[in-house]
Amino acid sequence: DAMVIQNPRYQVTQFGKPVTLSCSQTLNHNVMYWYQQKSSQAPKLLFHYYDKDFNNEADTPDNFQSRRPNTSFCFLDIRSPGLGDAAMYLCATSINRDQYFGPGTRLLVL
Amino acid sequence: AQSVSQHNHHVILSEAASLELGCNYSYGGTVNLFWYVQYPGQHLQLLLKYFSGDPLVKGIKGFEAEFIKSKFSFNLRKPSVQWSDTAEYFCAVNALRGFKTIFGAGTRLFVKA
Repeated sequence: DAMVIQNPRYQVTQFGKPVTLSCSQTLNHNVMYWYQQKSSQAPKLLFHYYDKDFNNEADTPDNFQSRRPNTSFCFLDIRSPGLGDAAMYLCATSINRDQYFGPGTRLLVL
Repeated sequence: AQSVSQHNHHVILSEAASLELGCNYSYGGTVNLFWYVQYPGQHLQLLLKYFSGDPLVKGIKGFEAEFIKSKFSFNLRKPSVQWSDTAEYFCAVNALRGFKTIFGAGTRLFVKA
């Protein structure tokens, strides 16, 4: 009964090679989030959607983009990954500010 | 800007010891407060939350937290920890307006059997 699903769980990419991470939900929540979490640090919010309304954090690099084609799916595109983008990427959904997290995608940049 | 501070990065306890993890936040307005837990190899999940009402809230697995508005604190407590409580604990704050949630850096708890 997985509720927030992230694919792939592990992603290896090369420096500068675009990569897309995906998130899907079966909860029908209207808010979806993408976080970046590096080792021993807090999850850092990159952006969130309220329905189709996109909200970008001021300090999210332009290198990071997102798409939400429908309620169930949300994608994180990293246009030109750098070594500093290696991290765990967490997707979460919310309906009453409680957040439901997916298992994360660990990104390795070679 | 909002921020969340967790006092301890690492805590080591023996089973049956009492636990208190500190959390302070900076935000002048009305907030919602959360504790999330991440067990080894698992994803983040909600432990408990405070929205309004009784400032002492109870969550799953015997955890509770107390909101002290005057101290901007939301400390997590458990009277007697178990080995299975070994995990990373995150305090989080959400301003009443908007959907942005700020997380603390986390506290890694290790409980010795």
